[in-house]
Formats: sequence, C-alpha cells, structure tokens
Amino acid sequence: DTEVTQTPKHLVMGMTNKKSLKCEQHMGHRAMYWYKQKAKKPPELMFVYSYEKLSINESVPSRFSPECPNSSLLNLHLHALQPEDSALYLCASSQALGGRTYEQYFGPGTRLTVT
Amino acid sequence: SQQGEEDPQALSIQEGENATMNCSYKTSINNLQWYRQNSGRGLVHLILIRSNEREKHSGRLRVTLDTSKKSSSLLITASRAADTASYFCAPYSGGGADGLTFGKGTHLIIQP
Repeated sequence: DTEVTQTPKHLVMGMTNKKSLKCEQHMGHRAMYWYKQKAKKPPELMFVYSYEKLSINESVPSRFSPECPNSSLLNLHLHALQPEDSALYLCASSQALGGRTYEQYFGPGTRLTVT
Repeated sequence: SQQGEEDPQALSIQEGENATMNCSYKTSINNLQWYRQNSGRGLVHLILIRSNEREKHSGRLRVTLDTSKKSSSLLITASRAADTASYFCAPYSGGGADGLTFGKGTHLIIQP
C-alpha cells in the first residue's frame, strides 16, 4: 500500500472556526510533512515530523498547529484562519533512515477555503 | 534543501512528440528529485537521481544530471495526453527528512 490519504477533500470554514485536517499512511514511513500550495504556485513546506517529533517548523503562524499522535497519523489543527490561508494543503511521507533522503509520497490534498 | 529553477515555464507539444524540461540549481547537492502534479492534486514522485549518478531511466522518462553545470533534465518520450501536468524539480543538499523546496515548475500541455 503506497497510498497517503487525506481527509476531508474539501473544507470551507469561517475565520472563527476550529477545524482539523487529517493525513494517514501505512507504509511504515517515519517522516511526515505538511505543505501548503496556493493557486498557480509550487508547494511550500510548512512542517516536518521525524519519528513523531516535530523537527522543522518553517515559521508557520501559530493558527496552524500540527500534531503527530502516532507513526501513521498526522493532523493539522486550524484556528482563527484568515482568507489568505485558503489553499491546497498537502501531506506527504517518506522513509527516514540513516540520514539519507528518500522520495516523498503525497496525498491528494485538502482544498481549504476560509470565508 | 534549495530551490531549483525549471525551464521552460510552459511547454506545449503534440501527442507522440518528446518533451524536455530542465532544472538548474545553485549549490552542490546530494540528490535531485522530479515530481509531477496533475490539475492541482497531489504530487507524484517520478525519479530520484543521486549526485554520483549521471542518468536514470523509468519507463518513458529519462533524467540526466550534470553536477559540473548544476543542472538536470527530464525527457518524456512519446508523450501522451495524460502527461499534461506541472513538473517540479527538487534539488536536495541536506541529509535525512528535511522537506523539499520546489521551483515554479514547468507546465506541460500535450495537444491531441
């Protein structure tokens, strides 16, 4: 199974709402990533988890809160977002062995609209 | 990781023709990866080429790497309508799980 699943596929939320995005993989990967992609732009890295620990936070505003409850799951908690946060949120996973770099497997993304 | 620069930014060819796109980068790398993205959906990994490799093949894809020129190319042979997508390169200088930095990509359109 080489699939990364993301739920929901689409999400519309108001600026005062709290919502969560979910990502799951069962490939035994110990590195998981969140990327944000605005329309007609490349994906931008937000967070990296390695062995369930946050290893990289690319200066993301605190209204985005990642969580990695176990090696298969990655969440992104959203609170008090702004309309400019509307984007496609992509989750990815990869192996994390011996300091080498491996290919990343991406989910289909959650398209978020903040109203 | 560092950002690569893909060239051209857009490419339109007839079905059956070959498509070539290039990626340039600035500093030495451990490896370089190519990804494809169809219609704003998730990215699909195509090929990872390491700094000690010069060429790699996968089906109709051929990737070359010239570390002296700090450049890579992706060749798609016998293109199909399904190859219409954005193609991104990701040159990587670090080690381990650091995340990737993508350039603006090459938007490839295959005309029927």
